[in-house]
Amino acid sequence: QVQLVQSGAEVKKPGASVKVSCKASGYTFTSYGISWVRQAPGQGLEWMGWISAYNGNTNYAQKLQGRVTMTTDTSTSTAYMELRSLRSDDTAVYYCAREGGIAAALDYWGQGTLVTVSS
Amino acid sequence: VIWMTQSPSLLSASTGDRVTISCRMSQGISSYLAWYQQKPGKAPELLIYAASTLQSGVPSRFSGSGSGTDFTLTISCLQSEDFATYYCQQYYSFPRTFGQGTKVEIK
Repeated sequence: QVQLVQSGAEVKKPGASVKVSCKASGYTFTSYGISWVRQAPGQGLEWMGWISAYNGNTNYAQKLQGRVTMTTDTSTSTAYMELRSLRSDDTAVYYCAREGGIAAALDYWGQGTLVTVSS
Repeated sequence: VIWMTQSPSLLSASTGDRVTISCRMSQGISSYLAWYQQKPGKAPELLIYAASTLQSGVPSRFSGSGSGTDFTLTISCLQSEDFATYYCQQYYSFPRTFGQGTKVEIK
């Protein structure tokens, strides 16, 4: 069965960086893309960006351009999202989700990773 | 950027009610629209894609309609497990965008 398993919670200081991993299993990793979505406490869903696991092409939300990098390691079927220069308003649960195939929407999601930015 | 207006933001209803949630786009997106359900502390789950196609395993009381700029999610007979927050999302173009969410609460 399809699974996306994310790395554990992180606590970071303002100005630091965080790298969240998302290990995929149960499907052909390179046949889909991975989107990253975050949700600040009590808020809605915010799309952060997308990466093709096939060729590494990316598309980022404009507000995060220059601070976010999404990568994949096809040898381990793992996607990564790195966010730099963290601020308090980056405190959120970060989700990875599979995109593509028949649905083309986000059909499988990771369990979420809480990133807390606090001094 | 395609902007989305989802309404209402809060919907109070009773078990057995028929409820509808609306999502309006700032420009046409054909049928590239999905609906998600999210329960507290959990990841969102895909309910409907391509505006009206039910994801496998989703109960048939959920339905979606619309194309172009106006879309609707309908729950025909609300069950206790349906009290949650619902989001629409367009995947017609980048950047992907989500609606603001509709919380369905018990009246």
